[in-house]
Amino acid sequence: EIVMTQSPATLSVSPGERATLSCRASQSVSSNLAWYQQKPGQAPRLLIYGASTRATGIPARFSGSGSGTEFTLTISSLQSEDFAVYYCQHYNNWPQTFGQGTKVEIK
Amino acid sequence: QVQLVESGGGLVKPGGSLRLSCAASGFTFSDHHMSWIRQAPGKGLEWLSYISSSGSTKYYADSVRGRFTISRDNAKNSSYLQMSSLRAEDTAVYYCARGQYFFEHWGQGNLVIVSS
Repeated sequence: EIVMTQSPATLSVSPGERATLSCRASQSVSSNLAWYQQKPGQAPRLLIYGASTRATGIPARFSGSGSGTEFTLTISSLQSEDFAVYYCQHYNNWPQTFGQGTKVEIK
Repeated sequence: QVQLVESGGGLVKPGGSLRLSCAASGFTFSDHHMSWIRQAPGKGLEWLSYISSSGSTKYYADSVRGRFTISRDNAKNSSYLQMSSLRAEDTAVYYCARGQYFFEHWGQGNLVIVSS
Protein backbone atom coordinates (compact mmCIF):
# COMPACT_ATOMS: atom_id res chain seq x y z
CA GLU A 1 0.00 0.00 0.00
CA ILE A 2 1.27 3.44 -0.93
CA VAL A 3 1.47 5.85 1.99
CA MET A 4 0.62 9.48 1.31
CA THR A 5 2.16 12.02 3.66
CA GLN A 6 0.95 15.61 3.73
CA SER A 7 2.74 18.59 5.20
CA PRO A 8 2.33 20.68 7.15
CA ALA A 9 -0.49 19.35 9.31
CA THR A 10 -1.72 22.90 9.86
CA LEU A 11 -0.99 25.98 7.80
CA SER A 12 -1.82 29.43 9.17
CA VAL A 13 -2.31 31.96 6.39
CA SER A 14 -3.75 35.45 6.14
CA PRO A 15 -6.49 36.15 3.59
CA GLY A 16 -4.97 37.22 0.29
CA GLU A 17 -1.74 35.36 0.92
CA ARG A 18 -0.42 32.36 -0.97
CA ALA A 19 -0.71 28.86 0.49
CA THR A 20 1.49 25.96 -0.52
CA LEU A 21 0.54 22.45 0.56
CA SER A 22 2.73 19.39 0.04
CA CYS A 23 1.96 15.73 -0.52
CA ARG A 24 4.55 12.97 -0.76
CA ALA A 25 3.97 9.40 -1.90
CA SER A 26 6.00 6.49 -0.52
CA GLN A 27 6.56 5.31 -4.10
CA SER A 28 5.89 6.77 -7.50
CA VAL A 29 2.24 7.37 -8.41
CA SER A 30 3.09 9.00 -11.75
CA SER A 31 0.53 11.81 -12.17
CA ASN A 32 -2.32 9.81 -10.66
CA LEU A 33 -2.94 12.27 -7.85
CA ALA A 34 -6.03 14.20 -6.80
CA TRP A 35 -6.65 16.97 -4.29
CA TYR A 36 -9.83 17.55 -2.31
CA GLN A 37 -11.13 20.31 -0.07
CA GLN A 38 -13.35 19.50 2.88
CA LYS A 39 -15.23 21.91 5.12
CA PRO A 40 -16.78 20.88 8.46
CA GLY A 41 -19.92 18.80 8.05
CA GLN A 42 -19.54 18.58 4.28
CA ALA A 43 -18.43 15.94 1.83
CA PRO A 44 -15.05 16.43 0.18
CA ARG A 45 -14.95 18.50 -3.01
CA LEU A 46 -12.66 17.50 -5.87
CA LEU A 47 -10.24 20.28 -6.76
CA ILE A 48 -7.52 18.73 -8.90
CA TYR A 49 -6.99 15.41 -10.69
CA GLY A 50 -4.15 14.17 -12.83
CA ALA A 51 -1.91 16.16 -10.48
CA SER A 52 -2.61 19.43 -12.28
CA THR A 53 -6.03 19.46 -13.98
CA ARG A 54 -8.66 21.56 -12.25
CA ALA A 55 -12.04 19.93 -11.79
CA THR A 56 -15.18 21.52 -13.18
CA GLY A 57 -15.95 24.87 -11.62
CA ILE A 58 -12.75 25.13 -9.57
CA PRO A 59 -11.33 28.66 -9.52
CA ALA A 60 -8.02 29.34 -11.22
CA ARG A 61 -6.41 30.34 -7.90
CA PHE A 62 -6.11 26.60 -7.19
CA SER A 63 -3.25 24.90 -9.00
CA GLY A 64 -1.55 21.54 -8.69
CA SER A 65 1.90 20.41 -9.71
CA GLY A 66 4.30 17.52 -9.38
CA SER A 67 4.70 13.94 -10.49
CA GLY A 68 6.23 10.76 -9.18
CA THR A 69 6.42 11.16 -5.43
CA GLU A 70 6.28 14.91 -4.78
CA PHE A 71 3.17 17.04 -5.29
CA THR A 72 2.07 20.55 -4.44
CA LEU A 73 -1.29 22.28 -4.19
CA THR A 74 -1.02 26.05 -4.39
CA ILE A 75 -3.76 28.51 -3.56
CA SER A 76 -2.53 31.76 -5.04
CA SER A 77 -4.57 34.23 -2.96
CA LEU A 78 -6.56 32.79 -0.11
CA GLN A 79 -10.21 33.74 0.08
CA SER A 80 -12.35 33.35 3.20
CA GLU A 81 -14.07 30.32 1.72
CA ASP A 82 -10.76 28.51 1.22
CA PHE A 83 -10.13 27.88 4.91
CA ALA A 84 -10.69 24.15 5.14
CA VAL A 85 -8.92 20.79 5.27
CA TYR A 86 -7.19 19.59 2.11
CA TYR A 87 -6.49 15.96 1.24
CA CYS A 88 -4.37 14.40 -1.45
CA GLN A 89 -5.22 10.96 -2.86
CA HIS A 90 -3.32 8.68 -5.21
CA TYR A 91 -5.09 6.39 -7.64
CA ASN A 92 -2.08 4.76 -9.28
CA ASN A 93 -3.06 1.29 -8.08
CA TRP A 94 -5.30 -0.46 -5.55
CA PRO A 95 -5.84 0.42 -2.83
CA GLN A 96 -6.14 4.11 -3.43
CA THR A 97 -5.02 5.96 -0.33
CA PHE A 98 -5.47 9.46 1.04
CA GLY A 99 -3.07 11.66 2.94
CA GLN A 100 -3.92 12.61 6.49
CA GLY A 101 -4.89 16.15 5.51
CA THR A 102 -3.62 19.70 5.88
CA LYS A 103 -5.79 22.18 7.73
CA VAL A 104 -5.57 25.70 6.33
CA GLU A 105 -6.57 28.13 9.05
CA ILE A 106 -6.84 31.87 9.33
CA LYS A 107 -3.73 33.56 10.70
CA GLN B 1 -27.67 17.67 -11.57
CA VAL B 2 -25.79 14.70 -10.16
CA GLN B 3 -27.16 13.64 -6.80
CA LEU B 4 -26.09 10.80 -4.51
CA VAL B 5 -28.10 10.13 -1.37
CA GLU B 6 -26.96 7.62 1.21
CA SER B 7 -29.26 5.92 3.70
CA GLY B 8 -29.29 3.01 6.09
CA GLY B 9 -26.84 4.18 8.72
CA GLY B 10 -27.37 4.28 12.45
CA LEU B 11 -26.39 2.62 15.70
CA VAL B 12 -25.42 -1.05 15.62
CA LYS B 13 -23.85 -3.36 18.21
CA PRO B 14 -20.38 -4.84 17.71
CA GLY B 15 -20.66 -7.96 15.59
CA GLY B 16 -23.83 -6.69 13.97
CA SER B 17 -24.69 -5.95 10.37
CA LEU B 18 -25.98 -2.99 8.42
CA ARG B 19 -26.67 -2.26 4.76
CA LEU B 20 -26.01 1.18 3.37
CA SER B 21 -27.74 2.35 0.20
CA CYS B 22 -26.77 5.06 -2.24
CA ALA B 23 -29.52 6.35 -4.51
CA ALA B 24 -28.24 8.08 -7.63
CA SER B 25 -29.96 10.58 -9.90
CA GLY B 26 -29.12 13.16 -12.53
CA PHE B 27 -26.94 10.88 -14.65
CA THR B 28 -26.97 7.51 -16.38
CA PHE B 29 -26.08 5.33 -13.42
CA SER B 30 -25.28 2.22 -15.44
CA ASP B 31 -22.49 4.10 -17.26
CA HIS B 32 -20.53 4.91 -14.11
CA HIS B 33 -18.31 3.11 -11.65
CA MET B 34 -19.09 3.67 -7.97
CA SER B 35 -17.05 3.67 -4.78
CA TRP B 36 -17.48 3.87 -1.02
CA ILE B 37 -15.24 5.94 1.25
CA ARG B 38 -15.45 6.53 4.98
CA GLN B 39 -14.25 9.03 7.54
CA ALA B 40 -13.93 8.20 11.22
CA PRO B 41 -14.82 11.05 13.61
CA GLY B 42 -12.13 13.72 13.45
CA LYS B 43 -10.01 11.60 11.12
CA GLY B 44 -9.07 11.48 7.45
CA LEU B 45 -10.59 9.72 4.46
CA GLU B 46 -10.34 5.98 3.86
CA TRP B 47 -11.25 4.37 0.53
CA LEU B 48 -13.21 1.17 1.14
CA SER B 49 -14.56 -0.38 -2.01
CA TYR B 50 -15.15 -0.04 -5.75
CA ILE B 51 -17.63 -1.59 -8.16
CA SER B 52 -17.51 -1.34 -11.92
CA SER B 53 -20.40 0.00 -13.95
CA SER B 54 -21.61 -3.50 -14.79
CA GLY B 55 -20.97 -4.83 -11.31
CA SER B 56 -18.56 -7.45 -12.60
CA THR B 57 -15.43 -6.06 -10.93
CA LYS B 58 -15.10 -5.25 -7.26
CA TYR B 59 -12.20 -4.20 -5.07
CA TYR B 60 -11.92 -3.83 -1.31
CA ALA B 61 -9.58 -2.28 1.22
CA ASP B 62 -7.83 -4.83 3.43
CA SER B 63 -9.57 -3.36 6.47
CA VAL B 64 -13.01 -4.47 5.23
CA ARG B 65 -12.32 -7.36 2.86
CA GLY B 66 -14.33 -10.40 3.91
CA ARG B 67 -16.68 -8.31 6.07
CA PHE B 68 -18.11 -5.77 3.63
CA THR B 69 -19.74 -6.48 0.26
CA ILE B 70 -20.37 -3.89 -2.42
CA SER B 71 -23.14 -4.32 -4.95
CA ARG B 72 -25.34 -2.33 -7.29
CA ASP B 73 -28.71 -2.51 -8.98
CA ASN B 74 -28.61 -0.55 -12.21
CA ALA B 75 -32.37 -0.89 -12.63
CA LYS B 76 -32.82 0.93 -9.33
CA ASN B 77 -29.96 3.40 -9.84
CA SER B 78 -28.49 2.33 -6.54
CA SER B 79 -25.28 1.09 -4.99
CA TYR B 80 -25.09 -0.79 -1.71
CA LEU B 81 -22.56 -1.60 0.98
CA GLN B 82 -23.42 -4.62 3.08
CA MET B 83 -21.45 -4.46 6.31
CA SER B 84 -21.13 -7.38 8.71
CA SER B 85 -19.03 -8.31 11.74
CA LEU B 86 -18.95 -4.63 12.58
CA ARG B 87 -16.34 -3.33 15.01
CA ALA B 88 -16.03 -0.16 17.03
CA GLU B 89 -13.37 1.04 14.60
CA ASP B 90 -15.93 0.93 11.78
CA THR B 91 -17.65 3.93 13.37
CA ALA B 92 -17.53 6.61 10.70
CA VAL B 93 -19.39 8.70 8.18
CA TYR B 94 -19.77 6.60 5.05
CA TYR B 95 -19.82 8.29 1.65
CA CYS B 96 -20.72 6.88 -1.71
CA ALA B 97 -18.97 8.54 -4.61
CA ARG B 98 -19.13 8.35 -8.37
CA GLY B 99 -15.94 7.20 -9.98
CA GLN B 100 -13.20 4.62 -10.09
CA TYR B 101 -10.07 6.63 -9.52
CA PHE B 102 -10.92 10.13 -8.32
CA PHE B 103 -14.29 11.34 -7.12
CA GLU B 104 -16.03 14.41 -8.46
CA HIS B 105 -19.42 13.60 -6.97
CA TRP B 106 -20.08 12.53 -3.40
CA GLY B 107 -23.13 11.83 -1.30
CA GLN B 108 -23.79 13.81 1.84
CA GLY B 109 -22.53 10.99 4.05
CA ASN B 110 -24.26 8.59 6.42
CA LEU B 111 -23.15 8.06 10.01
CA VAL B 112 -22.62 4.54 11.29
CA ILE B 113 -21.96 4.09 15.01
CA VAL B 114 -20.82 0.72 16.28
CA SER B 115 -21.30 0.59 20.03
CA SER B 116 -22.81 -1.60 22.69
